[in-house]
Amino acid sequence: RKEVEQDPGPFNVPEGATVAFNCTYSNSASQSFFWYRQDCRKEPKLLMSVYSSGNEDGRFTAQLNRASQYISLLIRDSKLSDSATYLCVVNDDNQGGKLIFGQGTELSVKP
Amino acid sequence: EPEVTQTPSHQVTQMGQEVILRCVPISNHLYFYWYRQILGQKVEFLVSFYNNEISEKSEIFDDQFSVERPDGSNFTLKIRSTKLEDSAMYFCASTGQSQETQYFGPGTRLLVL
Repeated sequence: RKEVEQDPGPFNVPEGATVAFNCTYSNSASQSFFWYRQDCRKEPKLLMSVYSSGNEDGRFTAQLNRASQYISLLIRDSKLSDSATYLCVVNDDNQGGKLIFGQGTELSVKP
Repeated sequence: EPEVTQTPSHQVTQMGQEVILRCVPISNHLYFYWYRQILGQKVEFLVSFYNNEISEKSEIFDDQFSVERPDGSNFTLKIRSTKLEDSAMYFCASTGQSQETQYFGPGTRLLVL
């Protein structure tokens, strides 16, 4: 079983649509959770951390369900500039531990 | 805003040659990392470095790889004898005392011919 699993997409949506990405992770002892964004041939950039209580940053909402080992990202009112690959990332050790990346979900927002 | 920098941005080398990839982490950060991403694949962890020693390494990080922090600012990844399958984007990352967020450099694209 993959450590972090995501639907690779691509998700093709019109501007203004709401789109949701899901991710599952295999290690129930995982400590921290993130969504990163990666543009083509660029470095991953942190979009947001994910907490059990859920968190929102503008049009982006992230949720964590520890019991189901499931992480989600919701993007509302999608913009052309949201087109990118969204990486689900898990850290098993908060003491400077490595990040474990999912394959990424590709999003393409069309006019 | 402080950022991680990496040089060179691109490197082309012949199989069997040594390459050194350079990174300057964010200045007050304490934990340093190398990751790689083969084209079309996921980002994979190579090695983490703290307090002047390796804290963790992956199976990929075999005897051909080494890391060094030769001074207070640079963090390098050396591949002693490159193989075709080492062709990838190599990302350096760093994080501070809180260890909450790892910040990534722009990467070095390595092509081994």
